[in-house]
Amino acid sequence: GAVVSQHPSWVICKSGTSVKIECRSLDFQATTMFWYRQFPKQSLMLMATSNEGSKATYEQGVEKDKFLINHASLTLSTLTVTSAHPEDSSFYICSAKGQGVETQYFGPGTRLLVL
Amino acid sequence: RKEVEQDPGPFNVPEGATVAFNCTYSNSASQSFFWYRQDCRKEPKLLMSVYSSGNEDGRFTAQLNRASQYISLLIRDSKLSDSATYLCVARNAGNMLTFGGGTRLMVKP
Repeated sequence: GAVVSQHPSWVICKSGTSVKIECRSLDFQATTMFWYRQFPKQSLMLMATSNEGSKATYEQGVEKDKFLINHASLTLSTLTVTSAHPEDSSFYICSAKGQGVETQYFGPGTRLLVL
Repeated sequence: RKEVEQDPGPFNVPEGATVAFNCTYSNSASQSFFWYRQDCRKEPKLLMSVYSSGNEDGRFTAQLNRASQYISLLIRDSKLSDSATYLCVARNAGNMLTFGGGTRLMVKP
């Protein structure tokens, strides 16, 4: 089946630093990637949708200048949390889908803790 | 009002019990529906799709009622390994997934 990886799986950083999270589709070409955030005991909330080679579309309430998304190739999308603060601590999960395919395949998630 | 609503639980049931989860959705334009399972600190994994005609996969049965915008999941003969959070998910025409808050199930010996 389709495999999506994320790196790193865990990151702890100081407040004010920037953190980059990578999402890779390992065995298929991901024309669209989605970034979700999940706070403890809450559901996944879609942050943004990115299509390869295009600017990401952000959901309402998500700051595009704070959460920079790059989807420069068909197998890699990155999410950079700029100037991270403790309230950005969360579980960040990406998913990917291929052209003409409806199923989204989820990555294992990245747990971010900002001190 | 949340677009997809679920009872958060937890549902505490003994092994072998039958348990049912419900979910309602507010966007009548939603096209497809799914149940996902999420274990603690892990990503959600697709459990099954949900159809109006019903969908059965082993001990799991899912049902969609479009008229009342209601989705259900029935788990028979619960196993300890069924303990997880079950997420009700709706997909719209733009292929965007909307997740419910999840229902936590704990199966005990």
